[in-house]
Amino acid sequence: DGGITQSPKYLFRKEGQNVTLSCEQNLNHDAMYWYRQDPGQGLRLIYYSQIVNDFQKGDIAEGYSVSREKKESFPLTVTSAQKNPTAFYLCASGPFGPGNTIYFGEGSWLTVV
Amino acid sequence: SQQGEEDPQALSIQEGENATMNCSYKTSINNLQWYRQNSGRGLVHLILIRSNEREKHSGRLRVTLDTSKKSSSLLITASRAADTASYFCATRWSDYKLSFGAGTTVTVRA
Repeated sequence: DGGITQSPKYLFRKEGQNVTLSCEQNLNHDAMYWYRQDPGQGLRLIYYSQIVNDFQKGDIAEGYSVSREKKESFPLTVTSAQKNPTAFYLCASGPFGPGNTIYFGEGSWLTVV
Repeated sequence: SQQGEEDPQALSIQEGENATMNCSYKTSINNLQWYRQNSGRGLVHLILIRSNEREKHSGRLRVTLDTSKKSSSLLITASRAADTASYFCATRWSDYKLSFGAGTTVTVRA
């Protein structure tokens, strides 16, 4: 099936640990994005990448890191520097260019315990 | 911030009624998009309307865009229980970021 796959769906992290969320797409999209959503809130952009080996910070990049070594993959690492990491994380991808739609994965729930 | 802001925050309607929600934004945009999110799920794209368009339809959905007022509306006609969800507008301008508002939560009562 074509689409965007995020894993794991649910993840628990102890304070002080780094955790990596996976995002894979087989839609041949150039651009990929990570958003964070807190309960009852909208989406805030963490990082985005328009092309392999290049990425830019979004509005709330502090405490997060990404890589884009392959076109189809855009993993997000939530580091111990992120003070309030409990949230719903959404990965998205889309064709290159601002005139296009972006498509979302099913999200990953991260809880710090 | 370039974020769209939806209004109202929450809407409760009877099945079969129409639901209207609005989105306002602050600066010139390339396009405006509407998404739906069911609880705990990812977002599903509904409609994209470009800055030079005034109205678009898709099934029971009708979107309008007024760039002079920097606002958009989403109308869902003949609502169904399955339309219960949160609806987000997202604006896109010259770069590649898509900025989202806080959403309108729609509840359709049987």
